[in-house]
Amino acid sequence: GEQVEQLPSILRVQEGSSASINCSYEDSASNYFPWYKQEPGENPKLIIDIRSNMERKQIQELIVLLDKKAKRFSLHITDTQPGDSAMYFCAASERQGGSAKLIFGEGTKLTVSS
Amino acid sequence: AQTIHQWPVAEIKAVGSPLSLGCTIKGKSSPNLYWYWQATGGTLQQLFYSITVGQVESVVQLNLSASRPKDDQFILSTEKLLLSHSGFYLCAWSPLGTSAETLYFGSGTRLTVL
Repeated sequence: GEQVEQLPSILRVQEGSSASINCSYEDSASNYFPWYKQEPGENPKLIIDIRSNMERKQIQELIVLLDKKAKRFSLHITDTQPGDSAMYFCAASERQGGSAKLIFGEGTKLTVSS
Repeated sequence: AQTIHQWPVAEIKAVGSPLSLGCTIKGKSSPNLYWYWQATGGTLQQLFYSITVGQVESVVQLNLSASRPKDDQFILSTEKLLLSHSGFYLCAWSPLGTSAETLYFGSGTRLTVL
């Protein structure tokens, strides 16, 4: 089955700088790659996603890049703020029966210091 | 708008005791439903999924079971809790069709087994 590797596991940046998280996957059939943000004690919330027919997607300060050939995708947060501090999870989809299964990476703990 | 409600918010249970966690989704007919488990500081692991009433597929064996008695309800249960069952249980739903992979999580139930 699909496996997703996520790095780094811990990321500390200064407010106003950029933060980058990288993920790789194994199954070339995966075609959907979401990113979730999880604050302490809260549920994961979808922040941005990209499908395999795109290479780049941006929502405000969030940029996702997808390299299908290399089976890698990444999240870039520009102009980070303390409110961006959280756990971030990448995921890749794997078909299962009539639904899809998201395989999550191990997570990145991002800390933005002011 | 769709709403997903999980209950209870938190549980503290003894090893060997039974457990029942619930999830209800409103505002969406025939959603795909999922149970995920997250160890403290860990990643998200899919436990069960269901694409229709009465039909549940198990993804991992953790001495847990799930049922979908109604279109909008998903139940996770066990007759005998283990210490390893501690963690954060998240119910999620996804729409049908091309967006089937997009998961929306409930607020979760934090389970502590002593």
